[in-house]
Amino acid sequence: DVKVTQSSRYLVKRTGEKVFLECVQDMDHENMFWYRQDPGLGLRLIYFSYDVKMKEKGDIPEGYSVSREKKERFSLILESASTNQTSMYLCASSLLAGLAEGFFGPGTRLTVL
Amino acid sequence: QKEVEQNSGPLSVPEGAIASLNCTYSDRVSQSFFWYRQYSGKSPELIMSIYSNGDKEDGRFTAQLNKASQYVSLLIRDSQPSDSATYLCAAIASGGSYIPTFGRGTSLIVHP
Repeated sequence: DVKVTQSSRYLVKRTGEKVFLECVQDMDHENMFWYRQDPGLGLRLIYFSYDVKMKEKGDIPEGYSVSREKKERFSLILESASTNQTSMYLCASSLLAGLAEGFFGPGTRLTVL
Repeated sequence: QKEVEQNSGPLSVPEGAIASLNCTYSDRVSQSFFWYRQYSGKSPELIMSIYSNGDKEDGRFTAQLNKASQYVSLLIRDSQPSDSATYLCAAIASGGSYIPTFGRGTSLIVHP
């Protein structure tokens, strides 16, 4: 019954490393999203995609990039990880526009040392 | 800048009571509203959506929307300890990108 999966639950990386976070959904959704969640700051949108090979910046895209080569997969890339990117990263997908009636993945807790 | 405001809590209620969670939003264009439940260490889970003024009931949950006053609320009847979680409110405006704006969440504690 798994709908949105993320490649890792916990990840520890070093400053300057290139980090890939993978998200896969099995619901044939067109809309996919990457958020980060930090205590006191809530959910913040990094990037989203409405279609294959399409991407749009969210509220905090700096330091991140994304890739969507296939409909079911949406990858978040930290080009050069920094300590301030230590966070919980949540992927989500939805059939309807935006995140209406959407599903979140289990999250990846990333620690950058 | 559209904002969604929630009292961070914690809101503490006894088991069996009605928990009332409130959310206000600043953008009159907002049309669709959602409540997510997030247990500690877990990801958000959609529990209610509401698009029209009035009440929408689903089991023990009732969402209430008042667009004129720009608030949306979630009532949980017969609260259980398993309802203890953080509840996130989200709003989507009509037109534009349909990207939701999330509140920072209200922590609910249901004590036996």
